[in-house]
Parts: sequence; structure tokens; C-alpha cells
Amino acid sequence: TQLLEQSPQFLSIQEGENLTVYCNSSSVFSSLQWYRQEPGEGPVLLVTVVTGGEVKKLKRLTFQFGDARKDSSLHITAAQPGDTGLYLCAGAHYTGANSKLTFGKGITLSVRP
Amino acid sequence: ETGVTQTPRHLVMGMTNKKSLKCEQHLGHNAMYWYKQSAKKPLELMFVYSLEERVENNSVPSRFSPECPNSSHLFLHLHTLQPEDSALYLCASSQDLSRSGDQPQHFGDGTRLSIL
Repeated sequence: TQLLEQSPQFLSIQEGENLTVYCNSSSVFSSLQWYRQEPGEGPVLLVTVVTGGEVKKLKRLTFQFGDARKDSSLHITAAQPGDTGLYLCAGAHYTGANSKLTFGKGITLSVRP
Repeated sequence: ETGVTQTPRHLVMGMTNKKSLKCEQHLGHNAMYWYKQSAKKPLELMFVYSLEERVENNSVPSRFSPECPNSSHLFLHLHTLQPEDSALYLCASSQDLSRSGDQPQHFGDGTRLSIL
């Protein structure tokens, strides 16, 4: 069983602060995706990281895939209320010719104005 | 119309009722998924369809019965559910199953199901 642990579970910060959240596993993944889910909506893909050590930036969000492809981090600079939501990471691993995603429990982020 | 559409958005039903959840995607994707999202638990993959063929059933109780009449539509038929089945049920689609972990999954907004 592939397990993904996300931390912290909950985070409440003031607008303008920086933060880093984590997605860790003892398993190796072929790639890892980050999604954001806002209340009343489905998850929306933010980024996919594929190569160990890869860093991707999406405006104020910086995603990094660990060298061993077992973990990932998301850093948000100068958080805004619009960043509020549930952040899910999902690791991909192959079963035969197909791959499947395993999701973490998510990180609930609240950014106060 | 765009993306993945789920209906109804909310459903309250008794344990003896029969109801169906509907999912429709307008993205031309070949793979579709049902997930269950409960509080404090990871998203649980329930069923996977590829080109209308079920390719995965993750030990889901028989009171949940999926149906995929074509590559654009996916149903989840519900019968004799239990209170612990109350959750958000999400439908998703992706281009296909090959390297699906590297492809984005496009989610609908879910059906919030409450079992009385």
C-alpha cells in the first residue's frame, strides 16, 4: 500500500505570510501531483512534478519533488485569502501498463485578511 | 458546456432508497473515475473505467453499482446504503489510463450524499 502523509493537517495564517507544507512517503512515485480544492468544488490540478529534485513555480507557489521521488513540498510566498483551500498531493505509481494515483488526506489552509 | 458535471449536487436519502449519481464529461477523455471523499480520510478510489470497460473495483460494497454507457457518461447506482456511506462523491476523468498518474485528472464538483 502506497501511503502519503501530508503535514501540517491544518494551517491558519495572516495574509502576507510565507508557508511551506509537506507531502511525505516511504514509497517511490513516478510522479506527484498537487491539487487545490475550494469549498463546494472538486479538486483542481496545480502542478505535476516528474523528475527527482524538480522545482516548478506557479506565480507565488513553488513546488519541489524530492531527489528520491518520495516526498514533495509546496511553498507559498506572501499568502493571500484566495489561497485558502484544501491542498491535496497525489503520487502516481504503476500497476502493470497503467498507473494510478494515491492521495494524501490534504492540508487545510486558511489565510486571514 | 465545459469540464466534468455531476448531478445532483446534494442528495439526502434513506437507507432503503435507490438513487443514482450522474457524471458527464465534455473533454473527450477515455478514462473516468469515481472517488469517495470523507472527512479526515484520503480520497478513496472506488471505480475506474477505460473506454466504457470497468478496469478497477477497489473492494467497494455491492450496494454501489457503477455504469458507464459511453465514454462521456458515468453513473453510480446506490441501493440500501449505510450511514457511513455519507460523503462527497467525486467523479473525474483523464485522457486515458496509460501514464494516468502523469496526466491531470479533471474533477467534477461532487455530490454531497447524506444517508438518514
